[in-house]
Amino acid sequence: GAGVSQTPSNKVTEKGKYVELRCDPISGHTALYWYRQSLGQGPEFLIYFQGTGAADDSGLPNDRFFAVRPEGSVSTLKIQRTERGDSAVYLCASSLTSYQYNEQFFGPGTRLTVL
Amino acid sequence: GNSVTQMEGPVTLSEEAFLTINCTYTATGYPSLFWYVQYPGEGLQLLLKATKADDKGSNKGFEATYRKETTSFHLEKGSVQVSDSAVYFCALSDLGDDKIIFGKGTRLHILP
Repeated sequence: GAGVSQTPSNKVTEKGKYVELRCDPISGHTALYWYRQSLGQGPEFLIYFQGTGAADDSGLPNDRFFAVRPEGSVSTLKIQRTERGDSAVYLCASSLTSYQYNEQFFGPGTRLTVL
Repeated sequence: GNSVTQMEGPVTLSEEAFLTINCTYTATGYPSLFWYVQYPGEGLQLLLKATKADDKGSNKGFEATYRKETTSFHLEKGSVQVSDSAVYFCALSDLGDDKIIFGKGTRLHILP
């Protein structure tokens, strides 16, 4: 079946602009996660959804970052007033439930470049 | 807080060599431990996992044993192949937590 998909694959924007990154999880997966991977680093947790609600947003770096999952499937990560430091690969993952032992399946990522 | 430390790369080996990538962790609870792999141009994939002390995870010839006494989860393979060239991430998920905490990754180059 289809895996996790993310669009766009690449996004180039100018400092101060607004961007939206989209994630389509695996069908039937109730848990959805966003991570950010900077160059040469491992992925860092941003936010996690169980169904429609954000169960843990402790990883969001500041209030410029926001994510939604209105129907419990597709999620959008929104970044306002982008800064050069926001440049990274944004990864989305989904799992069947949030149970600790459930495997998280990762999408290919969106590479965001802020000029 | 919880964290993962893994050996820095890049690691360069010849084909059929023995591989060890060291990983140690700090956790307040009872974590599950993982190795993820990122092949060139591909997304992160789970390579293997272990959910409790002394468990051994294995897949594709790779093995790692959950050592609670040394808080380690070292990745090993007896004979590497060129196709094993990738970036390897050690990671943990603590009991009652939902997120995965990753190490910085180790880039592995296998020479033919």
